[in-house]
Amino acid sequence: SAVISQKPSRDICQRGTSLTIQCQVDSQVTMMFWYRQQPGQSLTLIATANQGSEATYESGFVIDKFPISRPNLTFSTLTVSNMSPEDSSIYLCSALLTANTEAFFGQGTRLTVV
Amino acid sequence: DAKTTQPPSMDCAEGRAANLPCNHSTISGNEYVYWYRQIHSQGPQYIIHGLKNNETNEMASLIITEDRKSSTLILPHATLRDTAVYYCIVRVGTGAARQLTFGSGTQLTVLP
Repeated sequence: SAVISQKPSRDICQRGTSLTIQCQVDSQVTMMFWYRQQPGQSLTLIATANQGSEATYESGFVIDKFPISRPNLTFSTLTVSNMSPEDSSIYLCSALLTANTEAFFGQGTRLTVV
Repeated sequence: DAKTTQPPSMDCAEGRAANLPCNHSTISGNEYVYWYRQIHSQGPQYIIHGLKNNETNEMASLIITEDRKSSTLILPHATLRDTAVYYCIVRVGTGAARQLTFGSGTQLTVLP
């Protein structure tokens, strides 16, 4: 597998502001995903980050709230916009090296909105 | 993807085998069984996967029943570092849709 670095690892933000989370992979990957893990809960897929095109969002998640970029095969960003305390979660980046390999994950970004 | 059912929690003595069950009675013929684990404050880690044959790697063994409606993940000699939430996921093994759907998982606590 490869290594995913997420930045920041944690942050405390004021409500109404936005935070951009970066996901950097040390190898080129075919697919990248963003997940959210609310306190005490399992992981929920937010979207698939598509290189050079708009991300594919899951039900309940919209681009205006969670804009995603993927400019190349090793990097993606997730922005949490106009934050409220309900956005306090761990946000995780995941990737696949190829279509036939298994997903690996970053360590996550722990976001607290106050 | 088929849904899975796992016990919410299990304990295991250090050095003993940990057997984690998963029920996936609605699994389709082209769906694989995947296991991931999440150690506290870390991202999920891939453990093993299988279609219908039993599988073994350096981390664990996966036993799938003949009718494929259930499976068991076996950690042969559990250590304290194996304490984690273990997720059983059923999904199609190939194709463009490679995202994972996580259930609630099993909290395994390895006791000294």
